[in-house]
Amino acid sequence: DIQMTQSPSTLSASVGDRVTITCRAGQSIRSWLAWYQQKAGKAPRLLIYQASILESGIPSRFSGSGSGTEFTLTISGLQPDDFATYYCQQYDIFPWTFGQGTKVEVK
Amino acid sequence: EVQLVESGGGLVHPGGSLRLSCAASGLSFMDYEMNWVRQAPGKGLEWVANISRSGDMTHYSDSVRGRFTISRDNAKNSIFLQINSLRVEDTAIYYCASGGLCTTDVCHNTAYFQHWGQGTLLIVSS
Repeated sequence: DIQMTQSPSTLSASVGDRVTITCRAGQSIRSWLAWYQQKAGKAPRLLIYQASILESGIPSRFSGSGSGTEFTLTISGLQPDDFATYYCQQYDIFPWTFGQGTKVEVK
Repeated sequence: EVQLVESGGGLVHPGGSLRLSCAASGLSFMDYEMNWVRQAPGKGLEWVANISRSGDMTHYSDSVRGRFTISRDNAKNSIFLQINSLRVEDTAIYYCASGGLCTTDVCHNTAYFQHWGQGTLLIVSS
């Protein structure tokens, strides 16, 4: 199985901050990576797919980059609605696997 | 608006069986691969099973292969998860999730989870 490792596990930030979350894959997954946002008690929401393509309806302050084994999710100008847990997921090789999650909390 | 609505969760004893359902609306159902993803209490997300658009191909995580069976009824815009030999560690919220829109022969590049249901809770306990 391809292990996905996110860092940090928890991130403390303030409204307006630029936030970066890293996701590393145990082997190359080319660009087959997605990012999700999940708020407490809610289903996850797709933010980005194919490493850098913004899902329809997602604010442009979210961006993704990377390929191979290292990927980043950046939030440019954190908003109150962005405090949540973020997951990366590879869909190159079965079984598809998620990172352990990064919780973005209020500083 | 796309809606995925799961049902069938509940409290089941270890070793028991259960069938989860997911009804889809607002999308061209046969253009989407479908999945089950679960989340144990306080834990992260775990992909469980995938089914192709026609239903002729399925994939499972190692932790459920041989005990879980995913199926779909395209006439009813629904997917199902038959769960047998339940274990305490199967306790989780089970989400139904679609892939991305796929209109080509192969759906590899749309294998992310685009639409999600609200989830149904399965508790396995004696």
